[in-house]
Amino acid sequence: GQQVMQIPQYQHVQEGEDFTTYCNSSTTLSNIQWYKQRPGGHPVFLIQLVKSGEVKKQKRLTFQFGEAKKNSSLHITATQTTDVGTYFCAQETSGSRLTFGEGTQLTVNP
Amino acid sequence: DAGVTQSPTHLIKTRGQQVTLRCSPKSGHDTVSWYQQALGQGPQFIFQYYEEEERQRGNFPDRFSGHQFPNYSSELNVNALLLGDSALYLCASGQLTGAYGYTFGSGTRLTVV
Repeated sequence: GQQVMQIPQYQHVQEGEDFTTYCNSSTTLSNIQWYKQRPGGHPVFLIQLVKSGEVKKQKRLTFQFGEAKKNSSLHITATQTTDVGTYFCAQETSGSRLTFGEGTQLTVNP
Repeated sequence: DAGVTQSPTHLIKTRGQQVTLRCSPKSGHDTVSWYQQALGQGPQFIFQYYEEEERQRGNFPDRFSGHQFPNYSSELNVNALLLGDSALYLCASGQLTGAYGYTFGSGTRLTVV
């Protein structure tokens, strides 16, 4: 089945540094969703990207969808300790089924 | 407040037993999906319910079954529990198009001993 590969698996940064996680697919994605899961918590929807080359911003978070719709990225500017958690990309296939990447676990040292 | 309510929050069962997990979707949502999340991994799709019918199913054995009620709430049943069924079980509700993403509940942590 279709899979989305996510890198890196882990990322440790100092507070104030930037952070980026990448999501790649071998096939064209109809859309990509991003979720954040805090330690011990549940996934929380951040955003959905649908259009080729789309860029969306939420405060310090910037989401991009590749021109070929085969990759996506999430960039956080000037990380804060509240950004700690695991960030997942997820492909939505027919019938509203989400296929998640393995996630990038972000730790932020104060 | 996640908007999606799951019960129980934690559960310990013995190998071979059966378990039922429950989910109440967010108000206004009509689809309910269940996911299994093993430690350190992304959620894996089990199945989705819409209009009281199973619309899609992931790669899970028939020991996993479910139900959706007229009020959109849902149950996940797992028979003949195996040690490998130990995981966080997440319920996600949404609208059929998924245009606004899905709202996940806090999950049920199932431990099989």
